[in-house]
Formats: sequence, C-alpha cells, structure tokens
Amino acid sequence: KQEVTQIPAALSVPEGENLVLNCSFTDSAIYNLQWFRQDPGKGLTSLLLIQSSQREQTSGRLNASLDKSSGRSTLYIAASQPGDSATYLCAEEENRDDKIIFGKGTRLHILP
Amino acid sequence: KAGVTQTPRYLIKTRGQQVTLSCSPISGHRSVSWYQQTPGQGLQFLFEYFSETQRNKGNFPGRFSGRQFSNSRSEMNVSTLELGDSALYLCASSPFGRVDRGRETQYFGPGTRLLVL
Repeated sequence: KQEVTQIPAALSVPEGENLVLNCSFTDSAIYNLQWFRQDPGKGLTSLLLIQSSQREQTSGRLNASLDKSSGRSTLYIAASQPGDSATYLCAEEENRDDKIIFGKGTRLHILP
Repeated sequence: KAGVTQTPRYLIKTRGQQVTLSCSPISGHRSVSWYQQTPGQGLQFLFEYFSETQRNKGNFPGRFSGRQFSNSRSEMNVSTLELGDSALYLCASSPFGRVDRGRETQYFGPGTRLLVL
C-alpha cells in the first residue's frame, strides 16, 4: 500500500525563522509531487508541483525539492510570517494509475 | 475566472439517509475529482470524472457514487449514511486531468462539511 508520511504533525516557530517541512513516500515511481496549503475549514491551495523529472521548484519564499531515490520531498519556507500559519500537505500522484495520495499534513504555527 | 464552487457548504443528515453534493468546476475544466477529508484518515481520493465518464476510483464502498454532466458539473451521492461519513468533502477541477496535471495542478473548492448524526 502506497503511503505518504509527513513529520512532524505540528510545528511552532518564531516569526522570521527559516523552516523545513518533510514528506516521505513509499512509491519511487511517482508521476509528480505537490505541496498544498490548507487554511482552517477551507479547501486546498496548490503551492508547488514538482514533476518526476525535476528536482525542485521555487515560488517566492517557498522552495520544494524532490529526491525520488530516497522517497523524500522537503518544503523550505524562508523568513516565515504569521500569515504562513496553516496546514501543509504533500501529495504524490502515482505513475501506475491516476490516484493521488495525500499525507496527513503538518500544522504550522508561526509565532508573532 | 470564478473558482470551483461547492454546494451546499454545510449539511446535517441522520444515519440511513442519503445525500447529494454538487461541484461546479472552473469554466473550461473537464476533469473533476472528489476527496473525503477526516481527522483520522486525512484526505482520501474518492473518484475522478472526465467528460462525463468515471476515469478512476478510490477504495470506497459502493454507497459512494458520482456523476458528471455535459457542462462538467459533478454531483456526488452517498447512500445509507453512516456516522463515519461525517467529513469535509472536497472537489477539485483541472483542464484535462492527469495529462495536464504534469504541468498544472488541480484547483480545489472550499468543500462541503457533512455531519451525520
């Protein structure tokens, strides 16, 4: 059974710090990996999508990396702000079929 | 461009009843996927529809079904509701589905929060 694991489940850091969120997956034959943000009671917003042939993607203060051989992805957030407080989910889309498997997320709280 | 809309936003039902949820994708998007999100299981894929055909299905019982109309709007139906069906149901749309998702992500609606009593 394919699984996506995110550690830690929750994280609190002071404003201004750089931080890294981790995601690991069991299926190395992935089609792509995505990072999403979810605010309480709301839907998901896509942050970054890394295709299987890519190693990283960047958007503003966010950088996501992908290492298929080790089954890991990281989301790096630079100069964190209180507005970054949310739950961050990673999801891998399998190469074998069209299913997307989500991790359970890391709940991030940026302390003002 | 308007985003993905879902109706209703909140719903309370009792065990044994059935429920229909609606999703209107972004204009021009032909793929609609449905997900169930619970605190215990997280976000789980239910099914995907593309051009009125179910293209993929997750591991959910047959009580969960869906359909897509010619205008790409989609409905999801859950029959014989159980307490464990209480969840946030999210739908997401993309222009072409998987082929396009290699370059472009899905766009999610705000969800329908279903409470089964």
